This record gives sequence, C-alpha cells and structure tokens, in this order.
Amino acid sequence: ETGVTQTPRHLVMGMTNKKSLKCEQHLGHNAMYWYKQSAKKPLELMFVYSLEERVENNSVPSRFSPECPNSSHLFLHLHTLQPEDSALYLCASSQVPTRGADEQYFGPGTRLTVT
Amino acid sequence: AQSVTQLDSHVSVSEGTPVLLRCNYSSSYSPSLFWYVQHPNKGLQLLLKYTSAATLVKGINGFEAEFKKSETSFHLTKPSAHMSDAAEYFCVVSHLISSGSARQLTFGSGTQLTVLP
Repeated sequence: ETGVTQTPRHLVMGMTNKKSLKCEQHLGHNAMYWYKQSAKKPLELMFVYSLEERVENNSVPSRFSPECPNSSHLFLHLHTLQPEDSALYLCASSQVPTRGADEQYFGPGTRLTVT
Repeated sequence: AQSVTQLDSHVSVSEGTPVLLRCNYSSSYSPSLFWYVQHPNKGLQLLLKYTSAATLVKGINGFEAEFKKSETSFHLTKPSAHMSDAAEYFCVVSHLISSGSARQLTFGSGTQLTVLP
C-alpha cells in the first residue's frame, strides 16, 4: 500500500450507532489531519496531530473523538451523530517541522451518511 | 488571518482551449500557496505549490500558476484542456498552527471545471 488509505470508503449509520473511521499513512510522515467536506462548503479542518500529540481541535462537537496511537494511524470515533454530519471525511498527512511549504497528502475519504 | 477566494464557482472550456482558474489570497505575511484537484469520488491530489523560490510554478499534467504579490493572485492555467482535466480545483493557503509546528490549510470554495468535447 502506498500513500494515505482510509477505511471504510462508505459508511451508513443511524443516529444512535457508534462507529470508527480509520486512516493509515505509508509516507513516513509525523503529522496527520482530519477534514470534513460537506456539500457546498469549503473543506473544514477538524483535528491535527503533530508527533502523535493533538495540537488543534477546530471547535468540533464532542460526538467526534479522534485517536492517534502512532504516527502512521489515525482514527475518528463517531457516536450519536446528527444527519448534518453526513459528509466526506478526509484524512491527510504531512511532515513537520518545515522550512517551506508543507504539502499535505490526502486519502480518498470516507463517505458518511447518517440516517 | 489567511484566506483564499476563488472567483469562479464553475468554468467551462472546450477541449484543446486554454484553462484559467482564478484565485486571490489574503495573508499577513509571505504565504505558501497550493492548488489541489479533486476528481469525482476521489481524494485531493496536489497539483503544484508556491514556496517563494520562483513566481511561476509548474505542476503536474501541464498546469502552472503564477504568484503575483502586487495583485495578491495565484491563478491556475493550462494551455490546452483535456477531457481528463474535468474536476474540482481548490486554491489553498497554508499557515502555521499557533500551538505547534504543523501547518493548517485554508481552502477556497472550489472551482468546478467542465471540459466540453
């Protein structure tokens, strides 16, 4: 496997379910990110982990809970979601610190539908 | 604060004609700028990046962008469109997250490019 992988690619869940999204990067990076892409809205940064430590929580509701057990893996635990949480959830990774541009490499995303 | 504005939500061109996707940025210091492309049901792919080394940046698939500080613009161009270029394009500015060494990307709202046969 190369690059950034995400599983599952599609997920349908009820509002009372608990599920988790998984992201794995094979690039040797040390920072990982969760983004939310909703229809007709710009991509929104949700969480950032740098060197396995959470450094940013962009005012995300507590029904989303990230976990970064090591520099290659990132999870997003979901519980009691709302229909407006339906979106494409993208994971990304990068190398830090940087002296210049710090491009992020994205996974294919998980399409989440909350019913 | 950093922000980007993509001036066109939709652009339609004929195959073989030039492509111009417009982006203006706002940044309190010398920015790092990117263009990403997203094909349907796919993740985001980096097209090119500006790091202050050269104002004209060449990317993949024949795309290039020119950084113009006086106009605060970073427009994306391609001399000749191909059907496979049909996708959504995002202009992005990068800045350091205050609490650490990671960088935050701020995305524009995207431009949907349609290529007509």
